[in-house]
Amino acid sequence: NAGVTQTPKFRVLKTGQSMTLLCAQDMNHEYMYWYRQDPGMGLRLIHYSVGEGTTAKGEVPDGYNVSRLKKQNFLLGLESAAPSQTSVYFCASSSTAGGEGYNEQFFGPGTRLTVL
Amino acid sequence: AQSVTQLDSQVPVFEEAPVELRCNYSSSVSVYLFWYVQYPNQGLQLLLKYLSGSTLVKGINGFEAEFNKSQTSFHLRKPSVHISDTAEYFCAVSEAGGYQKVTFGTGTKLQVIP
Repeated sequence: NAGVTQTPKFRVLKTGQSMTLLCAQDMNHEYMYWYRQDPGMGLRLIHYSVGEGTTAKGEVPDGYNVSRLKKQNFLLGLESAAPSQTSVYFCASSSTAGGEGYNEQFFGPGTRLTVL
Repeated sequence: AQSVTQLDSQVPVFEEAPVELRCNYSSSVSVYLFWYVQYPNQGLQLLLKYLSGSTLVKGINGFEAEFNKSQTSFHLRKPSVHISDTAEYFCAVSEAGGYQKVTFGTGTKLQVIP
């Protein structure tokens, strides 16, 4: 059981290049999330998904697109990278099961992206 | 809209001393509250959570937090810290029920000094 995995771990892009970050989870979770972490700003939600085939905007969605074609995968795309997108990106997932009304979000190890 | 404030960006403390990391929140509805820990170069992991019931919540690694509704606070405490507790700690809030949107604080770096 690997939990939440992210690919790649590190990436350097030039301004204007595109790339896709892959998140995979093997816990059969319905919810998946993409966050970015910047110094002094905590984690900010980029996009999220409440199920296969559905996505929604979070707090800072501009410049990013996402897709959830399979339940276990959540892709984050940057069509034209900008230096402002230099950050650490975290994927997380959570289930809808359980009776407490909230289920723990499980985080991946992160992808460190630098845009030159 | 909900928000979280962690007033201390860094907290240095000597090993075996007690520590308190402060967290205040703002919301117009009932909330769930969380503390996450992030060790260097790793993702976040849940330390403890308050959903309802007892206001004193115990978590992993000897940490505990107390929910104070009147002061809208959820401070994290540990009576005796270890070197291994050196990490960044994030307080987070979620509105009770419905979609699990979580708002994170800006984090507090706990540095345990030998």
